[in-house]
Amino acid sequence: GAVVSQHPSWVICKSGTSVKIECRSLDFQATTMFWYRQFPKQSLMLMATSNEGSKATYEQGVEKDKFLINHASLTLSTLTVTSAHPEDSSFYICSAPSLPAAEQYFGPGTRLTVT
Amino acid sequence: GENVEQHPSTLSVQEGDSAVIKCTYSDSASNYFPWYKQELGKRPQLIIDIRSNVGEKKDQRIAVTLNKTAKHFSLHITETQPEDSAVYFCAASSAAGNKLTFGGGTRVLVKP
Repeated sequence: GAVVSQHPSWVICKSGTSVKIECRSLDFQATTMFWYRQFPKQSLMLMATSNEGSKATYEQGVEKDKFLINHASLTLSTLTVTSAHPEDSSFYICSAPSLPAAEQYFGPGTRLTVT
Repeated sequence: GENVEQHPSTLSVQEGDSAVIKCTYSDSASNYFPWYKQELGKRPQLIIDIRSNVGEKKDQRIAVTLNKTAKHFSLHITETQPEDSAVYFCAASSAAGNKLTFGGGTRVLVKP
């Protein structure tokens, strides 16, 4: 099946700094990718839809200036958490649909810890 | 927007018994309903999905049923095994490939 990778798999940063997370589709092209956040023992919550070559679409309540998304190519989307705070600590997972079935393939996730 | 509710939140079954998880959704435009299994610290893995033009789908020990009129769908796992222990999520989308709205998850424990 299709493969989606994420980098880094985990990151620890200090409060106030920015962190960039990469999501790559390794063997297929993805014009759309999705970014989810998952707090411990909770469900996945969609943060935004990343669109290749255009602006991302953010879900209600997600600060677009804090969570910067760039989808510069058909295989790469990046999520930058700016001015991170401890409450941003979470598991960030991306996904991308692969044709023809359009099944969503998830990345392995990035665990962010803000100290 | 879409809202998906999932029950129960935890489910403990004896090995060999069946497990049933139920979900309801709110948006009548939803047409694609996948189920995912997630182990601790890992990515969600698709175990089965169903589209709105089908009422039931089965894959070995796993089956999913869909009632579009009532806006609910269910996951059935038969002959449960300890390796079925995980968190299961239902989800809904307007179409395969579109954004997913997840249910709250069900933590399944299969006791040997």
